[in-house]
Amino acid sequence: AQSVTQPDIHITVSEGASLELRCNYSYGATPYLFWYVQSPGQGLQLLLKYFSGDTLVQGIKGFEAEFKRSQSSFNLRKPSVHWSDAAEYFCAVAPGSGGGADGLTFGKGTHLIIQP
Amino acid sequence: GAGVSQSPRYKVTKRGQDVALRCDPISGHVSLYWYRQALGQGPEFLTYFNYEAQQDKSGLPNDRFSAERPEGSISTLTIQRTEQRDSAMYRCSTAAGTDTQYFGPGTRLTVL
Repeated sequence: AQSVTQPDIHITVSEGASLELRCNYSYGATPYLFWYVQSPGQGLQLLLKYFSGDTLVQGIKGFEAEFKRSQSSFNLRKPSVHWSDAAEYFCAVAPGSGGGADGLTFGKGTHLIIQP
Repeated sequence: GAGVSQSPRYKVTKRGQDVALRCDPISGHVSLYWYRQALGQGPEFLTYFNYEAQQDKSGLPNDRFSAERPEGSISTLTIQRTEQRDSAMYRCSTAAGTDTQYFGPGTRLTVL
């Protein structure tokens, strides 16, 4: 069974600083990879996804993520954070064979705090 | 509608009561998923429909939990004889096919 590890439960970053949120997955083949953001009282919003092709994917709100097969990682980055980026971030995987139709396996999330 | 909607947004019930949680998918989305999210955790997969057919219910924790989608659109997740450990956020997502899942706002269930 696949699993997702987000090693950082909380991260504090100053506004304007760069950000990297870590995600490692365990799966036999190349899975489909996703990053979602959850703001208080809101549903999960998709930031970006990787299915195949270019390993550096661009998402909404200035986020990007890089798939590294050798490290089984899919880290999320942003060059300069804004106070509105404060939220809970979830990495998720789906079996590649299902084409994304299977249920997602989520990590436990990373809570991002932005300091003024 | 424009997005996935869920109702009620909040549900408080007493232990032993049955509850029904509703999910309205994005129009035309054939796939529908239910997840449960405990406080401080990521969502956990419960079950999945393709049209009206329940494709996978391996994540349902026990036989008190059931789900249906009789006409391939609206879905209901039912929890019978609720227990305090059932308290969580229940999330629904839908997808147009084998692609991105779009999530609703969730239903916060509290069992007293």
